[in-house]
Amino acid sequence: NAGVTQTPKFQVLKTGQSMTLQCAQDMNHEYMSWYRQDPGMGLRLIHYSVGAGITDQGEVPNGYNVSRSTTEDFPLRLLSAAPSQTSVYFCASSYTTNEKLFFGSGTQLSVL
Amino acid sequence: DQQVKQNSPSLSVQEGRISILNCDYTNSMFDYFLWYKKYPAEGPTFLISISSIKDKNEDGRFTVFLNKSAKHLSLHIVPSQPGDSAVYFCAAIDGNKLVFGAGTILRVKS
Repeated sequence: NAGVTQTPKFQVLKTGQSMTLQCAQDMNHEYMSWYRQDPGMGLRLIHYSVGAGITDQGEVPNGYNVSRSTTEDFPLRLLSAAPSQTSVYFCASSYTTNEKLFFGSGTQLSVL
Repeated sequence: DQQVKQNSPSLSVQEGRISILNCDYTNSMFDYFLWYKKYPAEGPTFLISISSIKDKNEDGRFTVFLNKSAKHLSLHIVPSQPGDSAVYFCAAIDGNKLVFGAGTILRVKS
Protein backbone atom coordinates (compact mmCIF):
# COMPACT_ATOMS: atom_id res chain seq x y z
CA ASN A 1 0.00 0.00 0.00
CA ALA A 2 1.61 3.25 -1.18
CA GLY A 3 -0.85 5.59 0.58
CA VAL A 4 -0.09 9.24 -0.27
CA THR A 5 2.97 9.73 -2.45
CA GLN A 6 4.64 13.11 -2.88
CA THR A 7 7.41 13.99 -5.32
CA PRO A 8 10.00 15.41 -5.20
CA LYS A 9 11.23 15.13 -1.60
CA PHE A 10 13.58 18.09 -1.97
CA GLN A 11 13.67 20.99 -4.41
CA VAL A 12 15.66 24.19 -4.74
CA LEU A 13 14.29 26.93 -6.98
CA LYS A 14 15.40 30.38 -7.99
CA THR A 15 13.05 33.30 -7.50
CA GLY A 16 10.63 33.52 -10.41
CA GLN A 17 10.88 29.88 -11.45
CA SER A 18 7.76 27.74 -11.66
CA MET A 19 7.32 24.13 -10.66
CA THR A 20 4.73 21.50 -9.81
CA LEU A 21 4.66 19.42 -6.66
CA GLN A 22 3.11 16.06 -7.37
CA CYS A 23 0.70 14.21 -5.08
CA ALA A 24 -0.98 10.88 -5.70
CA GLN A 25 -3.05 8.60 -3.49
CA ASP A 26 -4.20 5.03 -4.09
CA MET A 27 -6.89 4.82 -1.41
CA ASN A 28 -9.77 6.12 -3.55
CA HIS A 29 -10.13 9.12 -1.25
CA GLU A 30 -12.43 11.89 -2.39
CA TYR A 31 -10.86 14.61 -0.26
CA MET A 32 -7.33 15.89 -0.91
CA SER A 33 -5.50 18.91 0.41
CA TRP A 34 -2.17 20.74 0.45
CA TYR A 35 -0.59 22.22 3.58
CA ARG A 36 2.59 24.11 4.24
CA GLN A 37 4.46 23.86 7.52
CA ASP A 38 6.49 26.79 8.78
CA PRO A 39 8.19 27.20 12.19
CA GLY A 40 5.78 28.57 14.79
CA MET A 41 2.90 28.54 12.30
CA GLY A 42 1.90 24.90 12.32
CA LEU A 43 0.18 23.47 9.26
CA ARG A 44 -1.66 25.97 7.08
CA LEU A 45 -4.09 24.91 4.38
CA ILE A 46 -3.25 26.10 0.87
CA HIS A 47 -5.92 24.46 -1.33
CA TYR A 48 -8.24 21.51 -1.04
CA SER A 49 -10.52 19.38 -3.18
CA VAL A 50 -13.64 17.45 -2.22
CA GLY A 51 -13.64 15.43 -5.43
CA ALA A 52 -12.47 15.32 -9.04
CA GLY A 53 -13.14 18.61 -10.79
CA ILE A 54 -13.75 20.51 -7.54
CA THR A 55 -11.14 22.68 -5.81
CA ASP A 56 -11.28 25.51 -3.30
CA GLN A 57 -8.95 27.86 -1.50
CA GLY A 58 -7.63 27.39 1.98
CA GLU A 59 -6.00 29.84 4.34
CA VAL A 60 -2.91 30.74 2.25
CA PRO A 61 -3.71 30.20 -1.46
CA ASN A 62 -1.85 33.14 -3.03
CA GLY A 63 0.92 32.11 -5.42
CA TYR A 64 -0.37 28.55 -5.79
CA ASN A 65 -2.67 26.82 -8.26
CA VAL A 66 -4.26 23.38 -8.10
CA SER A 67 -6.38 21.15 -10.31
CA ARG A 68 -8.08 17.80 -9.74
CA SER A 69 -8.66 16.00 -13.01
CA THR A 70 -8.66 12.52 -11.42
CA THR A 71 -9.52 11.13 -7.99
CA GLU A 72 -5.92 9.97 -7.52
CA ASP A 73 -3.87 13.08 -8.35
CA PHE A 74 -3.76 16.58 -6.89
CA PRO A 75 -0.74 18.58 -8.13
CA LEU A 76 0.25 21.92 -6.60
CA ARG A 77 1.72 24.51 -8.96
CA LEU A 78 3.94 27.39 -7.93
CA LEU A 79 3.52 29.98 -10.66
CA SER A 80 6.48 32.27 -9.88
CA ALA A 81 8.42 31.13 -6.84
CA ALA A 82 9.24 33.62 -4.09
CA PRO A 83 11.52 33.23 -1.05
CA SER A 84 8.39 33.43 1.16
CA GLN A 85 7.35 30.08 -0.34
CA THR A 86 10.33 28.34 1.24
CA SER A 87 8.60 25.74 3.39
CA VAL A 88 7.79 22.07 3.84
CA TYR A 89 4.74 21.08 1.83
CA PHE A 90 2.43 18.21 2.75
CA CYS A 91 -0.28 16.61 0.70
CA ALA A 92 -3.06 14.78 2.55
CA SER A 93 -6.17 12.79 1.72
CA SER A 94 -9.19 11.26 3.39
CA TYR A 95 -12.61 9.84 2.49
CA THR A 96 -14.25 12.99 3.82
CA THR A 97 -13.12 15.91 5.95
CA ASN A 98 -14.62 14.24 8.99
CA GLU A 99 -12.26 11.32 8.55
CA LYS A 100 -8.66 11.29 9.66
CA LEU A 101 -6.24 12.68 7.10
CA PHE A 102 -3.45 10.55 5.65
CA PHE A 103 -0.36 12.63 4.94
CA GLY A 104 2.47 12.20 2.47
CA SER A 105 6.06 12.43 3.68
CA GLY A 106 6.49 16.02 2.52
CA THR A 107 8.45 18.12 0.03
CA GLN A 108 11.10 20.46 1.38
CA LEU A 109 11.24 23.48 -0.92
CA SER A 110 13.84 26.24 -0.83
CA VAL A 111 13.46 29.35 -2.97
CA LEU A 112 16.64 31.38 -3.32
CA ASP B 1 -5.92 35.15 13.74
CA GLN B 2 -5.36 31.56 14.80
CA GLN B 3 -8.57 29.72 15.61
CA VAL B 4 -6.70 26.79 17.16
CA LYS B 5 -3.93 27.65 19.57
CA GLN B 6 -1.27 25.54 21.21
CA ASN B 7 0.40 27.98 23.54
CA SER B 8 3.21 25.73 24.72
CA PRO B 9 5.87 25.40 21.99
CA SER B 10 7.59 22.59 23.87
CA LEU B 11 7.25 20.20 26.79
CA SER B 12 9.81 17.98 28.46
CA VAL B 13 8.73 14.97 30.53
CA GLN B 14 10.48 12.10 32.27
CA GLU B 15 9.85 8.60 30.95
CA GLY B 16 6.99 6.90 32.79
CA ARG B 17 5.35 10.16 33.85
CA ILE B 18 2.25 11.80 32.37
CA SER B 19 2.48 14.18 29.41
CA ILE B 20 -0.30 16.75 29.09
CA LEU B 21 -0.55 18.74 25.88
CA ASN B 22 -3.05 21.59 25.72
CA CYS B 23 -5.05 23.19 22.96
CA ASP B 24 -7.51 26.10 22.92
CA TYR B 25 -9.93 27.11 20.20
CA THR B 26 -11.91 30.27 19.56
CA ASN B 27 -14.77 29.12 17.34
CA SER B 28 -17.64 27.66 19.36
CA MET B 29 -19.02 26.07 16.16
CA PHE B 30 -16.14 23.58 16.03
CA ASP B 31 -17.54 20.17 16.93
CA TYR B 32 -14.85 17.64 16.03
CA PHE B 33 -11.23 17.67 17.07
CA LEU B 34 -8.19 15.56 16.21
CA TRP B 35 -4.63 15.13 17.40
CA TYR B 36 -1.78 14.32 15.03
CA LYS B 37 1.76 13.26 15.80
CA LYS B 38 4.73 14.11 13.62
CA TYR B 39 8.24 12.73 13.61
CA PRO B 40 11.08 14.60 11.83
CA ALA B 41 11.18 14.11 8.06
CA GLU B 42 7.80 12.36 8.08
CA GLY B 43 4.24 13.46 7.49
CA PRO B 44 1.85 13.83 10.44
CA THR B 45 -0.09 10.73 11.46
CA PHE B 46 -3.50 10.61 13.09
CA LEU B 47 -3.47 9.82 16.79
CA ILE B 48 -6.90 10.28 18.37
CA SER B 49 -10.08 12.30 17.89
CA ILE B 50 -13.09 13.49 19.85
CA SER B 51 -16.56 14.67 18.97
CA SER B 52 -18.21 17.50 20.87
CA ILE B 53 -20.91 15.12 22.10
CA LYS B 54 -18.25 13.53 24.30
CA ASP B 55 -15.96 14.96 26.92
CA LYS B 56 -13.41 12.15 26.87
CA ASN B 57 -12.02 9.62 24.43
CA GLU B 58 -9.44 7.00 25.28
CA ASP B 59 -7.17 4.84 23.14
CA GLY B 60 -4.55 2.88 25.04
CA ARG B 61 -2.07 5.29 26.61
CA PHE B 62 -3.70 8.29 24.94
CA THR B 63 -6.73 10.14 26.28
CA VAL B 64 -8.23 13.33 24.92
CA PHE B 65 -10.40 15.52 27.14
CA LEU B 66 -12.75 18.19 25.82
CA ASN B 67 -14.11 21.10 27.85
CA LYS B 68 -16.59 22.84 25.58
CA SER B 69 -17.44 25.67 27.95
CA ALA B 70 -13.75 26.59 28.19
CA LYS B 71 -13.09 25.84 24.50
CA HIS B 72 -10.18 23.72 25.62
CA LEU B 73 -8.93 20.25 24.92
CA SER B 74 -6.00 18.31 26.21
CA LEU B 75 -4.11 15.18 25.27
CA HIS B 76 -2.84 12.97 28.09
CA ILE B 77 -0.17 10.36 27.48
CA VAL B 78 0.31 7.88 30.31
CA PRO B 79 2.90 6.53 30.77
CA SER B 80 5.13 8.59 28.49
CA GLN B 81 7.76 6.71 26.50
CA PRO B 82 10.87 7.96 24.66
CA GLY B 83 9.21 6.96 21.36
CA ASP B 84 6.48 9.52 22.08
CA SER B 85 9.01 12.32 21.45
CA ALA B 86 7.53 14.16 18.48
CA VAL B 87 5.56 17.24 17.49
CA TYR B 88 1.88 17.05 18.41
CA PHE B 89 -0.70 19.05 16.47
CA CYS B 90 -4.21 19.78 17.61
CA ALA B 91 -6.77 20.30 14.82
CA ALA B 92 -10.44 21.19 14.44
CA ILE B 93 -12.82 20.50 11.57
CA ASP B 94 -14.18 23.71 10.06
CA GLY B 95 -16.60 22.76 7.30
CA ASN B 96 -14.52 21.20 4.53
CA LYS B 97 -11.28 22.25 6.14
CA LEU B 98 -9.06 21.08 8.96
CA VAL B 99 -7.56 23.91 11.01
CA PHE B 100 -4.33 23.11 12.84
CA GLY B 101 -2.57 24.61 15.81
CA ALA B 102 1.11 25.52 15.72
CA GLY B 103 2.16 22.30 17.42
CA THR B 104 3.92 21.33 20.65
CA ILE B 105 7.29 19.58 20.68
CA LEU B 106 7.25 16.79 23.27
CA ARG B 107 10.55 15.41 24.55
CA VAL B 108 10.39 12.33 26.75
CA LYS B 109 13.64 11.83 28.64
CA SER B 110 14.80 8.35 29.60
